Amino acid sequence: DAGVTQSPTHLIKTRGQQVTLRCSPKSGHDTVSWYQQALGQGPQFIFQYYEEEERQRGNFPDRFSGHQFPNYSSELNVNALLLGDSALYLCASSSIPSGTGYNSPLHFGNGTRLTVT
Amino acid sequence: GNSVTQMEGPVTLSEEAFLTINCTYTATGYPSLFWYVQYPGEGLQLLLKATKADDKGSNKGFEATYRKETTSFHLEKGSVQVSDSAVYFCALNTNAGGTSYGKLTFGQGTILTVHP
Repeated sequence: DAGVTQSPTHLIKTRGQQVTLRCSPKSGHDTVSWYQQALGQGPQFIFQYYEEEERQRGNFPDRFSGHQFPNYSSELNVNALLLGDSALYLCASSSIPSGTGYNSPLHFGNGTRLTVT
Repeated sequence: GNSVTQMEGPVTLSEEAFLTINCTYTATGYPSLFWYVQYPGEGLQLLLKATKADDKGSNKGFEATYRKETTSFHLEKGSVQVSDSAVYFCALNTNAGGTSYGKLTFGQGTILTVHP
């Protein structure tokens, strides 16, 4: 049973460019959350997707956008890259079973290391 | 707003030593509390959790008790192993159920190194 998979594992971009990161959730999960983890810091919540819609958003500018596909996979897009966008980007998936009110724990991928030069 | 503060690290211990990593929080409402572990080159893994005051989460010899009166959730282990070397993150979530579950607030992390 594959866990959360992210691609690519590493990426180098130049300031001003645009980047797309991809995430496939764990089998059976329908919700995807994205986090940014700067070096030496804890992850910060960017946004969450469920039923192909953005449901929650953290304190990130509109340059950060996303998408969720019918198969529950997701993309994170960052436009007009800044040096400060260099970080490890983590995807986490979970499921929201109906009726019980209980959510499965978040399962994290290994992340995409983005370097902006 | 919500925030999590962890003890400043890194922490270096000898094998079989006792471990404590302090975590305190500020939150609106009644948060659920978590400890995550990140091994080198890997994503975060849930280590343990507690969803209400006085609950004790435990896993792999690690324990943490939800202390509402001191707003703390300190991580402890009686005898650490070299394989416990990793980065440990304390985190909270203030909404129970629904899509809010995916929105966690993390501390800055504590690097633990255990020597043989």
